[in-house]
This record gives sequence, structure tokens and C-alpha cells, in this order.
Amino acid sequence: DQQVKQNSPSLSVQEGRISILNCDYTNSMFDYFLWYKKYPAEGPTFLISISSIKDKNEDGRFTVFLNKSAKHLSLHIVPSQPGDSAVYFCAASYTGTYKYIFGTGTRLKVLA
Amino acid sequence: DVKVTQSSRYLVKRTGEKVFLECVQDMDHENMFWYRQDPGLGLRLIYFSYDVKMKEKGDIPEGYSVSREKKERFSLILESASTNQTSMYLCASRSTGRPVAFFGEGSRLTVL
Repeated sequence: DQQVKQNSPSLSVQEGRISILNCDYTNSMFDYFLWYKKYPAEGPTFLISISSIKDKNEDGRFTVFLNKSAKHLSLHIVPSQPGDSAVYFCAASYTGTYKYIFGTGTRLKVLA
Repeated sequence: DVKVTQSSRYLVKRTGEKVFLECVQDMDHENMFWYRQDPGLGLRLIYFSYDVKMKEKGDIPEGYSVSREKKERFSLILESASTNQTSMYLCASRSTGRPVAFFGEGSRLTVL
């Protein structure tokens, strides 16, 4: 059973517009969530994270929103840039474990 | 910055061969992980280690073993490679105190 789901395998957005990537989870024990960005033939790089005690975390053009009641998080990128084109993975973890459960990824394409 | 180094970026092996994938991190992290990434399946955890000589199975440990003799080094072993182990293998590490994992650049393994 997939505990972390990214239901959109791909997303295309015009440069300068907002990109919204979504992630749903099923395990209510998850209390820490991360977003990673991955270019082809490279390892994932950490982008932004959020603890379950917050509902929003912002870092420059990137904002993550957490809706615990809906078990949903989203990553907003504003404004989107062509260099943002990559695969984005959400990941979840919970206190007491050091491992992460990853979603299947969403491929974002930002069109110039 | 944390550096996680994977010994081989690209490998081609034959069915039945023994394969070693090495990973070294330079930040004294307690926890190290091996994931594989396949299209449409995201990142799936093979094994992780929370201390020297300590290991735990992840979600897909079958066909793999690991070794952690030193804190900085975590090896993934395929005792007898099979074609269904063709994949991108990603090593990661994190400290116990900070819940962010850092990844290596990946090892693309092809088993013929």
C-alpha cells in the first residue's frame, strides 16, 4: 500500500506562473515532510521541509503547505523558472524512525 | 556542505555476477540508506543502517545485503545480480538530530 502518493505524474507550467505540486499521505503518524528535487542522472537534492506542528513553511520562491486533516501537502513555486524543470518527490517520516517514505514523483516542465 | 559519494556512476554487469556499490559520507552521520529509483515507482528503501554494524531491512530487501563496518561507509551488495535489479541506486545519509537526508549522485546499474 502506497503511504505517500503523488497522483500527478507530470505537470507543465509557463515560465513566471505558479507551479503547484501535490502529495497525499495515509499514515497519520507522519510528522515531518520533505520535498526533494531531482534532475536526470543526479541524486535528489533537498528543497524544503515542514513539521506537522506548522501548516506553512516558506523559503524564497518555494512554499510548502500542510493540511493535516486532509492528509495533504503541496509545494508552490512562484514564479516558476525553466531551471525548475525536474522531478519532484515528496517524502514523509515520523518520530522514532529515521527512514523516509517517498512518493512516486511528479515531473515538472516549465516552458519558456 | 554534506558530501555523499557513490563509488560508481555507471555499471554494467552480467546476470549472476556479484556487485558491490559503495557509499561514503563525510559528515559523521549516524544513519545511512540505500534506495532504488524506478520509473513510476519513486524511491524505494532497500536497507538502512542507524549505526556501525547495525542494519534494518527496508521495503524491498530481497536479493540485496549491506555492510557497514565504518561509520562513514555503507555498502550495498547484490550477491547474484538479476535483470530485474537494473535500476538507479541512491545512497543517502542523515544525522539523528536533523531530519533531512542528503543523497549521493546515484549509481546506474544495468544487468544484462
